[in-house]
Amino acid sequence: AQTVTQSQPEMSVQEAETVTLSCTYDTSESNYYLFWYKQPPSRQMILVIRQEAYKQQNATENRFSVNFQKAAKSFSLKISDSQLGDTAMYFCALRGRVTGGTSYGKLTFGQGTILTVHP
Amino acid sequence: DTGVSQNPRHKITKRGQNVTFRCDPISEHNRLYWYRQTLGQGPEFLTYFQNEAQLEKSRLLSDRFSAERPKGSFSTLEIQRTEQGDSAMYLCASSFLAGAGETQYFGPGTRLLVL
Repeated sequence: AQTVTQSQPEMSVQEAETVTLSCTYDTSESNYYLFWYKQPPSRQMILVIRQEAYKQQNATENRFSVNFQKAAKSFSLKISDSQLGDTAMYFCALRGRVTGGTSYGKLTFGQGTILTVHP
Repeated sequence: DTGVSQNPRHKITKRGQNVTFRCDPISEHNRLYWYRQTLGQGPEFLTYFQNEAQLEKSRLLSDRFSAERPKGSFSTLEIQRTEQGDSAMYLCASSFLAGAGETQYFGPGTRLLVL
């Protein structure tokens, strides 16, 4: 079974500052994918960033970057130069490797972290 | 690319009634997923389709739940004899299976309230 744990129910940050959201996970698979999704209030979930477990280099997307520690099964999200529009619920998610018809496509989500960016 | 759409966006029903939700995936996406999200929690997987075939169902999906994806296009999720515990946001996501590079795109969800 796969599990994802986000231990920070709520976080807050001042505009333009940096914040890090934590995520730990457990899986028996050797190859898998990790994601951070953002869910703004009353709006749909959108992908922020993804990381393939076999890649040692940490993924980055503009102001968003991850710190992927495979041995520790840790996958944190760093948001630099925080903006008011970053206010949202952030979910860490895990997916097994997808191969043909094998059913490893489903995402396992953490409980979420509510991030509030203050002006 | 118009994104994943879901209808209705909100549904209020009385306990014991049947409800049906619809999901229209991104055009040409061959995988379609249903998740359920209760307030303050992360989404939980319910079921998914590859084209028209339903390949996996979660244990969360009781006998009162049924999902279809005729012709591999839109999908419907039906809940029969609704219970108050069914109140949740029902999310649909679609993806195009292309080797390892699968990313799921989510719809806005259908919020169900069972009175």
